[in-house]
Amino acid sequence: KAGVTQTPRYLIKTRGQQVTLSCSPISGHRSVSWYQQTPGQGLQFLFEYFSETQRNKGNFPGRFSGRQFSNSRSEMNVSTLELGDSALYLCASSLGDRSGYNSPLHFGNGTRLTVT
Amino acid sequence: GENVEQHPSTLSVQEGDSAVIKCTYSDSASNYFPWYKQELGKGPQLIIDIRSNVGEKKDQRIAVTLNKTAKHFSLHITETQPEDSAVYFCAASGSNDYKLSFGAGTTVTVRA
Repeated sequence: KAGVTQTPRYLIKTRGQQVTLSCSPISGHRSVSWYQQTPGQGLQFLFEYFSETQRNKGNFPGRFSGRQFSNSRSEMNVSTLELGDSALYLCASSLGDRSGYNSPLHFGNGTRLTVT
Repeated sequence: GENVEQHPSTLSVQEGDSAVIKCTYSDSASNYFPWYKQELGKGPQLIIDIRSNVGEKKDQRIAVTLNKTAKHFSLHITETQPEDSAVYFCAASGSNDYKLSFGAGTTVTVRA
């Protein structure tokens, strides 16, 4: 079974621009989560989607947004990029379909975003 | 929110020795505790997880223990090998949180 696929692997953007990152979950997984990884803050939760609905959101500004499509694929968008947005953005998928039960998260290899 | 603390931040062990990483969590409602291994240039890989109704779980050379009363859990790697060198993260989550709170990570180096 193919793992979580994230595209692109690397991105270089300029301050003020916007960027869209893409994630294809493991087949059959309906939950997709996004995390930001930086040396200073570690792994920080951005948001989680299940069946096209956002179920939880982390403490990030409104410039960070996401969505999920009917085939469970997900995208996240960052508008008005700042230098501090440079990070590894990780997508993770899980079954996510049992209330009160934490399905294991499986991560992709991330998109490395550099803002100059 | 949940706060997960992880120690040590770096750990160097001789090949064949054991490695232990400890984590504490703050939210008593947390009930799921996974461990991830991250190698350079890759995303975190789930290596073992434990739920709050279990005190210990083992998978070959890896074991995890959970003490709910003290709110801490530990990862034990026995007979370490060079390929165990990586960054290890602990995490915690509650039911219907739909998110993981991660520790800061431990860089493990296995010396040949």
